[in-house]
Amino acid sequence: GENVEQHPSTLSVQEGDSAVIKCTYSDSASNYFPWYKQELGKGPQLIIDIRSNVGEKKDQRIAVTLNKTAKHFSLHITETQPEDSAVYFCAADGAAGNKLTFGGGTRVLVKP
Amino acid sequence: GAGVSQSPSNKVTEKGKDVELRCDPISGHTALYWYRQSLGQGLEFLIYFQGNSAPDKSGLPSDRFSAERTGGSVSTLTIQRTQQEDSAVYLCASSEDSDRGREEFFGQGTRLTVV
Repeated sequence: GENVEQHPSTLSVQEGDSAVIKCTYSDSASNYFPWYKQELGKGPQLIIDIRSNVGEKKDQRIAVTLNKTAKHFSLHITETQPEDSAVYFCAADGAAGNKLTFGGGTRVLVKP
Repeated sequence: GAGVSQSPSNKVTEKGKDVELRCDPISGHTALYWYRQSLGQGLEFLIYFQGNSAPDKSGLPSDRFSAERTGGSVSTLTIQRTQQEDSAVYLCASSEDSDRGREEFFGQGTRLTVV
């Protein structure tokens, strides 16, 4: 089955700096790569996703890049703000495409 | 409802007791998922339902865990003879269907504490 690894597990940045989280996946048939943000006491919420026919996607301060050859994808947050502090999860859908396999999560702390 | 609803939000139970956790998915969503999230950890897939198909139970950690989904809507996750290692947040998610690339919408979770 699909295996997704995520790094780093924790990330501390100064407000205004950029944050980058990287994930690798094992199943070359994976086609869908979402990123979720989980705030304390809440369920994860989708913030951006990318599909295998696209190499990069941007939504305001958030961007995701995908390298299918190397089987890795990354989340980039620019001009970080304190409200970006949360746990971020990457995921991939695997060959069957009917459920997501999640990375271990990255705890991001943005220091004011 | 507007989102995925889970109840209770918190549950404390004694070791050895059975517990039931409930999930109300978004209306019209045919796919429903259960995950377990231990403290500070990632999301561990437990079970998934899609329409009237047989559920994918491949993530259930032991035969003490079971789930059902009645009428293609509400789902109940049951843990029998709870153990302390069952303590975690149990998250439910639903999506429009299980076609590739469908967003999963999560509930707030049920925090289970086994004492």
